[in-house]
Amino acid sequence: QKEVEQNSGPLSVPEGAIASLNCTYSDRGSQSFFWYRQYSGKSPELIMFIYSNGDKEDGRFTAQLNKASQYVSLLIRDSQPSDSATYLCAVSGGYQKVTFGTGTKLQVIP
Amino acid sequence: EAGVAQSPRYKIIEKRQSVAFWCNPISGHATLYWYQQILGQGPKLLIQFQNNGVVDDSQLPKDRFSAERLKGVDSTLKIQPAKLEDSAVYLCASSYPLEETQYFGPGTRLLVL
Repeated sequence: QKEVEQNSGPLSVPEGAIASLNCTYSDRGSQSFFWYRQYSGKSPELIMFIYSNGDKEDGRFTAQLNKASQYVSLLIRDSQPSDSATYLCAVSGGYQKVTFGTGTKLQVIP
Repeated sequence: EAGVAQSPRYKIIEKRQSVAFWCNPISGHATLYWYQQILGQGPKLLIQFQNNGVVDDSQLPKDRFSAERLKGVDSTLKIQPAKLEDSAVYLCASSYPLEETQYFGPGTRLLVL
């Protein structure tokens, strides 16, 4: 059973701070890694994906991947109250088979 | 580009009744997924279609759940008979062939009393 683990939170950060969200996965053969944001009562929407070790930046978001440690993270710089949501980590072993974590709830305090 | 459409948005039924959900994916998306998301949990894959063929239904409770995707476009998910523990949001998602980014519909919120 492939597992994707996240701390459920809530993770509380003050406005303007960096929020760091973490995810570990069990399948060493995993190839693709995704971060989805889910607002309360809404459906998930893709924020970023990463395939290679290292960092990938998109605006205020940075995804970090370390395949040796089976660890992927999402950094949100200059956190805003509108970033308050649940962040889902998703991992694929190929062939479009994606496993989602349980999500980390982020609260950005004004 | 129109998004993934789902209906109904909300449904309340009594246990042992049956219910059906409908999904129309984004045009051109050959892969269609049905997920169950219980409050406070991540989406759990129920079934994955590639065109009108089933790729993965290993977590689908086949004694009560069924799904079909006739003609490889829209899809229906049925629960018969429903149990209290089926109360959840049922999400439909779709993606292009060979791509793994999924686009989600608004979901159907099911309450079983």
